[in-house]
Amino acid sequence: GQNIDQPTEMTATEGAIVQINCTYQTSGFNGLFWYQQHAGEAPTFLSYNVLDGLEEKGRFSSFLSRSKGYSYLLLKELQMKDSASYLCAPSGYGQNFVFGPGTRLSVLP
Amino acid sequence: ETGVTQTPRHLVMGMTNKKSLKCEQHLGHNAMYWYKQSAKKPLELMFVYSLEERVENNSVPSRFSPECPNSSHLFLHLHTLQPEDSALYLCASSQEWEGNQPQHFGDGTRLSIL
Repeated sequence: GQNIDQPTEMTATEGAIVQINCTYQTSGFNGLFWYQQHAGEAPTFLSYNVLDGLEEKGRFSSFLSRSKGYSYLLLKELQMKDSASYLCAPSGYGQNFVFGPGTRLSVLP
Repeated sequence: ETGVTQTPRHLVMGMTNKKSLKCEQHLGHNAMYWYKQSAKKPLELMFVYSLEERVENNSVPSRFSPECPNSSHLFLHLHTLQPEDSALYLCASSQEWEGNQPQHFGDGTRLSIL
């Protein structure tokens, strides 16, 4: 089975930096996805980490530690439009992935 | 053109009705998925199809019946649903189903059971 843990809610200020953590326990791990979901909308793909380390993509970066079963999503220069839920989803060979409960981020002016 | 299209966007039905949700993807993907998203609960995988063959079924009640006539279309047939089935039903597709491909989601069907 799989066990995925994320903080339920986070609040940050416009222009700040926020880190959203995800811990997981899963068999046959291959990589980890992060998705963004605005209220009432579909989830959209943000990043996919296979190797340990930090991958940067504009204002968003994602980190993975395979040995620790740990990942985080780092959002810099926060904007109001970044208010959304962020879903962590580990995936594995021959199996489809399960989504974490999601972290609802509120960006305040 | 939207990659994954779901219809209807909203559906209200009684417990004795029969209805179907439709999903169409224009991305040339081989795998399609149905998810259920309830308030304050994680996305729950319901069904996975790869090249029109069902490859995963996560213990979903038989009142939900999927159909995949071709790799671009996916249906979810509903009958005698329960109030707890009220949720957002999301369709997704990916290039392959092997778990290392990002999924592209439709906007979902908001289902309310009276």
